[in-house]
Amino acid sequence: QVQLQESGPRLVKPSQTLSLSCTVSGGSISSNNYYWNWIRQHPGKGLEWIGYIYYTGSTYYNPSLKSRVTISVDTSKNQFSLKLSSVTAADTAIYFCAREPNVAGAGFFDYWGQGTLVTVSS
Amino acid sequence: EIVLTQSPGTLSLSPGERATLSCRASQSASSTYLAWYQHKPGQAPRLLIYDASNRATGIPDRFSGSGSGTDFTLTISRLEPEDFAVYYCQQYGSSPWTFGQGTKVEIK
Repeated sequence: QVQLQESGPRLVKPSQTLSLSCTVSGGSISSNNYYWNWIRQHPGKGLEWIGYIYYTGSTYYNPSLKSRVTISVDTSKNQFSLKLSSVTAADTAIYFCAREPNVAGAGFFDYWGQGTLVTVSS
Repeated sequence: EIVLTQSPGTLSLSPGERATLSCRASQSASSTYLAWYQHKPGQAPRLLIYDASNRATGIPDRFSGSGSGTDFTLTISRLEPEDFAVYYCQQYGSSPWTFGQGTKVEIK
């Protein structure tokens, strides 16, 4: 059974960089069958897709966040990571990592982490 | 960007009743590129339906999805106690992928 677990600082100061990691267990992040995604949920609101990475390092980001987002992968640790720069209070959210099957027409997420709340505050 | 509007915002029902949740897209991206998720507080969201009507692995057959184009429906035929949660739709026919704001199914 695949499991994803987010980790990282829960409190970030305004203007700094938010950094999170997602550790994948029960499966290899180097599989060519999946993309690895970040999604967030602002308090009391809906979900927002941030972007994905393939094990080769190929990435694709939501245009609304593209200028501030970097997603990277470390296949030796079976992890992928999110960096979001120049954060403001509007970036306070629950951050989820999720797996997306690499099949034609797929863009849905079949496994998710439980999410981690990151608060931006001084 | 495609905006998904879910209705109602909250659905108050009793166990054993039928739940019908709606998801409407602001434009048609691809006829059936829509998924539904169940989310309970503190838990990982769970994929229920993909491609508008295909149940994900291990999902009970009381969950069904239908629709195409801009109008989609998730139906729970008979609510079980564990089904009370928030449900989200998501489109993946047009980038960026987007989600609806959710429908909360609560116990009446």
